[in-house]
Amino acid sequence: AQKITQTQPGMFVQEKEAVTLDCTYDTSDPSYGLFWYKQPSSGEMIFLIYQGSYDQQNATEGRYSLNFQKARKSANLVISASQLGDSAMYFCAMREISAGGTSYGKLTFGQGTILTVHP
Amino acid sequence: GAVVSQHPSWVICKSGTSVKIECRSLDFQATTMFWYRQFPKQSLMLMATSNEGSKATYEQGVEKDKFLINHASLTLSTLTVTSAHPEDSSFYICSAPAGGRAKNIQYFGAGTRLSVL
Repeated sequence: AQKITQTQPGMFVQEKEAVTLDCTYDTSDPSYGLFWYKQPSSGEMIFLIYQGSYDQQNATEGRYSLNFQKARKSANLVISASQLGDSAMYFCAMREISAGGTSYGKLTFGQGTILTVHP
Repeated sequence: GAVVSQHPSWVICKSGTSVKIECRSLDFQATTMFWYRQFPKQSLMLMATSNEGSKATYEQGVEKDKFLINHASLTLSTLTVTSAHPEDSSFYICSAPAGGRAKNIQYFGAGTRLSVL
């Protein structure tokens, strides 16, 4: 069974600073996808970034980058130049890719990290 | 990214009534949709997988007769909370995968806050 662990219930960062949100995972499947979502107080889940298990390079999307360390089974999210609008709950999630190659599998979420950006 | 529309965003109902929540994929077809439940400051819990044209797959511990799921078309899945009670009050959110075989990013609706009085 797959498992996602986010050990930081809450994180604080000063505006314009960088912050790293931790995520470790456990799976026996060689093929999987890792995701980060942002959930502001409104409740919507906003997709931020994706990393495939076979991707050679770490994923980047604007101010978001994923520090993927496969051997350590970690997929930390790095947010550079934090903004006040980054204050939200952040979820790490994993999806196993079935042996048939289809990618419609369900996501397993971590517990989430509440990020607060201070002015 | 792909757009998933969820309605209503907020509903208050009396105990014993049924509530229907709709989830639509607006610019792509979704043969599969997922329904989650979330309590305040907690993670998302998968309730069921909705499959177009076939029965939904429910997670362990989720009552099928309580949470009816219908996926009648490639763009619409509905969740009906039957005979709702105060303990069913929660945040319900749907998602659908899009983006092609390789990634299949799951895009989420805006969620529905259900309050049962």
